[in-house]
Amino acid sequence: EAAVTQSPRSKVAVTGGKVTLSCHQTNNHDYMYWYRQDTGHGLRLIHYSYVADSTEKGDIPDGYKASRPSQENFSLILELASLSQTAVYFCASRDWGSQNTLYFGAGTRLSVL
Amino acid sequence: GDSVTQTEGLVTLTKGLPVMLNCTYQTTYSPFLFWYVQHLNEAPKLLLKSSTDNKRTEHQGFYATLHKSSSSFHLQKSSVQLSDSALYFCALSDRGSALGRLHFGAGTQLIVIP
Repeated sequence: EAAVTQSPRSKVAVTGGKVTLSCHQTNNHDYMYWYRQDTGHGLRLIHYSYVADSTEKGDIPDGYKASRPSQENFSLILELASLSQTAVYFCASRDWGSQNTLYFGAGTRLSVL
Repeated sequence: GDSVTQTEGLVTLTKGLPVMLNCTYQTTYSPFLFWYVQHLNEAPKLLLKSSTDNKRTEHQGFYATLHKSSSSFHLQKSSVQLSDSALYFCALSDRGSALGRLHFGAGTQLIVIP
């Protein structure tokens, strides 16, 4: 099964500070995604990437940046963290032939105070 | 646009009883539906998926049938176990989309009690 590793697993940040969430996958998957999970909203797509050095906006990109420096690594960056960005963040990957099956990391619980 | 609706936010059942978690969708494309399950403090994992109309798909005792006529993909199990307690997400993908973008429902929390 695909391995997707997120770090840190939890983080407390201050409002206005910069936060970087990291994701690493070891299965040569082409596609990587960042989702946000909030109670009552399910999983919402923030950014995604289908090739290194390229990222695309998802459904809720405002306030977030993404970086894909290599096929294995995909980061989510909050330049100016806000209270409303308190949530659980999931990274996921998918290969071309898996018919949209996503493999998720364990998640990062972010609290912005 | 594409969307998924899960009408129950919370379902509480006694062990051994049957369960059905509702999922309906809207899309203008050919639908590809998924159920993901997320146990407490774990990552969501694929439970089952289907793009074939009126064909039952099963996995780990759970089953679902995609009905395009009613735009539904309800998840069922004949006898729930304590270990089935988890958050269940229904998701829709535009099968024609090569980028694997999934639209998730809000999720249904299933709690199974002894």
